Amino acid sequence: DTGVSQNPRHKITKRGQNVTFRCDPISEHNRLYWYRQTLGQGPEFLTYFQNEAQLEKSRLLSDRFSAERPKGSFSTLEIQRTEQGDSAMYLCASTVAGANVLTFGAGSRLTVL
Amino acid sequence: DQQVKQNSPSLSVQEGRISILNCDYTNSMFDYFLWYKKYPAEGPTFLISISSIKDKNEDGRFTVFLNKSAKHLSLHIVPSQPGDSAVYFCAASDPGTYKYIFGTGTRLKVLA
Repeated sequence: DTGVSQNPRHKITKRGQNVTFRCDPISEHNRLYWYRQTLGQGPEFLTYFQNEAQLEKSRLLSDRFSAERPKGSFSTLEIQRTEQGDSAMYLCASTVAGANVLTFGAGSRLTVL
Repeated sequence: DQQVKQNSPSLSVQEGRISILNCDYTNSMFDYFLWYKKYPAEGPTFLISISSIKDKNEDGRFTVFLNKSAKHLSLHIVPSQPGDSAVYFCAASDPGTYKYIFGTGTRLKVLA
């Protein structure tokens, strides 16, 4: 068990480009969450999956954001036509339904120039 | 609408003394509360938690107290150590949506 893995750890892109982040949760965890954290703020909920089903999506998530978890294992978060306001740390976390503790990955830091 | 609030952005404590970090919440339906510790460029690391049916949970140097009537929880670290210097987030679990709501964090600095 290597914990929650996120890739890439850092991404620098130009405004208007698309970016994709990947999260590999702990293998037996069926719930997977995406959060966004900006400087001086706590993690803000974006979306979560139970197995492959996306059950909740924040109003913070504009149409440019899409997340998938096709086989109930790894997940991807894609941001299309990036804007400077998208610059943040994107955090993935996982847990088992019925448990109460989220285990976070190290995060993927996005910088949009 | 900030459902979980940490009103102190920073706290400095002398090594060996007690650190007390506070958190307030507004939703009485939250059923579980957690504290996370975060170092720069890393993800949050789970520290300690408490169920809403309890008022205290202790794990080594860390104790969390929950006052449901006041909708307030606190994390006590005794004795504080320089390695405890980090940002601490409290979080609450919403059983209706399975979302975890985080506060804005308190930066703790333990002075040697």
